[in-house]
Amino acid sequence: EAQVTQNPRYLITVTGKKLTVTCSQNMNHEYMSWYRQDPGLGLRQIYYSMNVEVTDKGDVPEGYKVSRKEKRNFPLILESPSPNQTSLYFCASSLGGTAIEAFFGQGTRLTVV
Amino acid sequence: QKEVEQNSGPLSVPEGAIASLNCTYSDRGSQSFFWYRQYSGKSPELIMSIYSNGDKEDGRFTAQLNKASQYVSLLIRDSQPSDSATYLCAVRRSNTGNQFYFGTGTSLTVIP
Repeated sequence: EAQVTQNPRYLITVTGKKLTVTCSQNMNHEYMSWYRQDPGLGLRQIYYSMNVEVTDKGDVPEGYKVSRKEKRNFPLILESPSPNQTSLYFCASSLGGTAIEAFFGQGTRLTVV
Repeated sequence: QKEVEQNSGPLSVPEGAIASLNCTYSDRGSQSFFWYRQYSGKSPELIMSIYSNGDKEDGRFTAQLNKASQYVSLLIRDSQPSDSATYLCAVRRSNTGNQFYFGTGTSLTVIP
């Protein structure tokens, strides 16, 4: 089954404690990206990757890091989480080319206290 | 000014009616336009994409694009209660690489 898998689904952490949210796709997609979704602000793109070792900033990259060492994985790293990073996070992937955000993961609800 | 604007709703239509959802975008260089459906607590699902002016139909869904007016719409014909969801408009600005911008979404309720 074609899917984008995020882990964990839910996470509560404390300010400053480094964390990683994993994202993996099994469709051999070139393009992957990360979003956060907040009430009243909608989905905002954090980072995206056109292919292995190619990443670029989206609309709200501050406080986040990503890496793309393999095509299937695109982890989101919060080096020093803060309460304003409390949000619902989605990973997405697509074949590339027209770069349609075709497949979204199930989401990760992160709370930073 | 927001990149993509949508009326938040809620929009209510009776079952069988046409639901009309609207979206405007700020950057004239935008090239690609998308509509997503998001059920409460779920991830967005791609419904339609449109790239050129005019209408594009897929089943009960019709996307309309007017680049001169910077306007995108989605029509849902014969609305069903299962169409009740939040609809997100998204835009890709080719002059900034592959950044996507989403609207905040319009909540649609189809009343049986």
